[in-house]
Amino acid sequence: GNSVTQMEGPVTLSEEAFLTINCTYTATGYPSLFWYVQYPGEGLQLLLKATKADDKGSNKGFEATYRKETTSFHLEKGSVQVSDSAVYFCALSGSLGSGNTGKLIFGQGTTLQVKP
Amino acid sequence: SQTIHQWPATLVQPVGSPLSLECTVEGTSNPNLYWYRQAAGRGLQLLFYSVGIGQISSEVPQNLSASRPQDRQFILSSKKLLLSDSGFYLCAWSQGDTMTDEQYFGPGTRLTVT
Repeated sequence: GNSVTQMEGPVTLSEEAFLTINCTYTATGYPSLFWYVQYPGEGLQLLLKATKADDKGSNKGFEATYRKETTSFHLEKGSVQVSDSAVYFCALSGSLGSGNTGKLIFGQGTTLQVKP
Repeated sequence: SQTIHQWPATLVQPVGSPLSLECTVEGTSNPNLYWYRQAAGRGLQLLFYSVGIGQISSEVPQNLSASRPQDRQFILSSKKLLLSDSGFYLCAWSQGDTMTDEQYFGPGTRLTVT
């Protein structure tokens, strides 16, 4: 079945450091891929998405490229800020015909802590 | 614009007591609705989803039930809470009449069963 695997955290970085959070997936067909962010005590917010191979999603300085050949969707940011401290979730949606359309499958989440 | 509300924001209930959490969506019609649970330090587990009024699909067997009495209202219930029901409950919606997949989440309800 479909699944998402994220690197385990926590990830601790200094402000202005480069961020990579790895995400790989297993899926049938051609799912859409997402990154969500959860700030402490809040719900999840959609950060970015990509709907087909080689698409690059980007938002707020974060970006991720849909790599079908490596089944990956790694999240990157060139210079993190303290305000980026949060839990980041990678997710995929079921593709047409898979019976899972509309459902999201989430990774376990990666906690990012950015220190000043 | 669309907004999603959940209440209460926090809840402390004794074991064996009933539960009712409510979720409402504004600014859209015929949304798909979802209930997730997030245990402490863990990922999200999909509990229920609904594609229309009165249509509920359960993803995992459990002590909880869901209902959708109105198009934009989704309720999570239990007759008798267990300690293991503690967690952060998130409601989400997605557009029901397109193939757009992204889901939009409410602020969540923190449930502590004592």
